[in-house]
Amino acid sequence: QVLLVESGGGLVKPGGSLRLSCAASGFTFSDNSMCWIRQVPGKGLEWISYIRSSGSGTDYSESVRGRFTVSRDNTNNLLFLQMSALKAEDTAVYYCARSRANFFFDYWGQGILVTVSS
Amino acid sequence: QTVVTQEPSFSVSPGGTVTLTCGLNSGSVSTSSYPSWYQQTPGQAPRTLIYNTNSRSSGVPDRFSGSILGNKAALTITGAQADDESDYHCLLYLTSGIWVFGGGTKLTVL
Repeated sequence: QVLLVESGGGLVKPGGSLRLSCAASGFTFSDNSMCWIRQVPGKGLEWISYIRSSGSGTDYSESVRGRFTVSRDNTNNLLFLQMSALKAEDTAVYYCARSRANFFFDYWGQGILVTVSS
Repeated sequence: QTVVTQEPSFSVSPGGTVTLTCGLNSGSVSTSSYPSWYQQTPGQAPRTLIYNTNSRSSGVPDRFSGSILGNKAALTITGAQADDESDYHCLLYLTSGIWVFGGGTKLTVL
């Protein structure tokens, strides 16, 4: 079955960097676009990043553009989110999700908490 | 800035019918926004309910349905059950590679 497992979260100081990973299994990873979505505890979901199946195209929300970089390793079925210049407001649970035709997300990881605090 | 609007909270009686909506601050929602809906309980990842306006995801009961009502997307739950008490998030696809979620609706079944 499809499985997405995030890792790499934790506590980081403001201005610091962190890299999240998402390990995918149960489907042909290289055929699928992927996204990162985050959720401040107790708040709504926020789409933040998209990467095409080949890795050749990416998009970002205004809130993270210029600070976050999405990438992927199709050989090892891994999705990444490199986060830099982190702010307190980046504190959230980060989810990776598979993006499908008809522009929705059908499978989600369990989420990983990133806390930005001094 | 595009804002997707949802009711912050809603209440329904067991067995009742409820319709949650998803709108845009700057226009109408249409099928071209490919509205989708996600259910989330505390501490869990979202679960996909509806995509492409009115297609049910695999395993989703047929008491969940999606539609366009006027200028908004809508999620209707017919015959609400206790375990439908969740947060419901709508998602709109705005343009190439850009998505926006609504703020979510907290549904209470009582």
